[in-house]
Amino acid sequence: AQSVTQLDSQVPVFEEAPVELRCNYSSSVSVYLFWYVQYPNQGLQLLLKYLSGSTLVESINGFEAEFNKSQTSFHLRKPSVHISDTAEYFCVGANNLFFGTGTRLTVIP
Amino acid sequence: DAGVIQSPRHEVTEMGQEVTLRCKPISGHNSLFWYRQTMMRGLELLIYFNNNVPIDDSGMPEDRFSAKMPNASFSTLKIQPSEPRDSAVYFCASSLGSGLGGELFFGEGSRLTVL
Repeated sequence: AQSVTQLDSQVPVFEEAPVELRCNYSSSVSVYLFWYVQYPNQGLQLLLKYLSGSTLVESINGFEAEFNKSQTSFHLRKPSVHISDTAEYFCVGANNLFFGTGTRLTVIP
Repeated sequence: DAGVIQSPRHEVTEMGQEVTLRCKPISGHNSLFWYRQTMMRGLELLIYFNNNVPIDDSGMPEDRFSAKMPNASFSTLKIQPSEPRDSAVYFCASSLGSGLGGELFFGEGSRLTVL
């Protein structure tokens, strides 16, 4: 079965600085990978996903993630973060069901 | 579309009491998922249904927890009797299809506090 690992539980970053949230996966079968975001006191919502095709996927709010088969990674990046990006981010794999503890991104003014 | 609707949003109860959480999935979605979120364990899958049938309930903590989906538009998660360690935010999500490879749509959660 596929599993994912988020290497950082908390990532503080200053406003307008770049950020990378790391996610590694392990799988012996087809790969589906997703990033979800949870803003404070809200449910989760899909940020972006990779199912097949182009290895670089983008969200509408400036985030992007690249599926890297050789490094078994699906890191989430943004070149310049805003205060409103403060949230919990979850990398999810396989059958899209197992979320884990996520990475808490805190953007510092 | 109204999205996934959960009730109650907040529940405070005493140990030993029965708790029932409710979920209405998005119309037309045929997969439904119950999750529990705590600081210690993150977001855990409890159970999920496909076409109203429970597919995997291996995440249900123990016999005190039960979930039902009597029809395509309603599901319940029941805890009886409740214990303080059950305190958490419980999320319901729905998806079109089997959930594999598809987007999950989450409700806003039910925050349970067991005293």
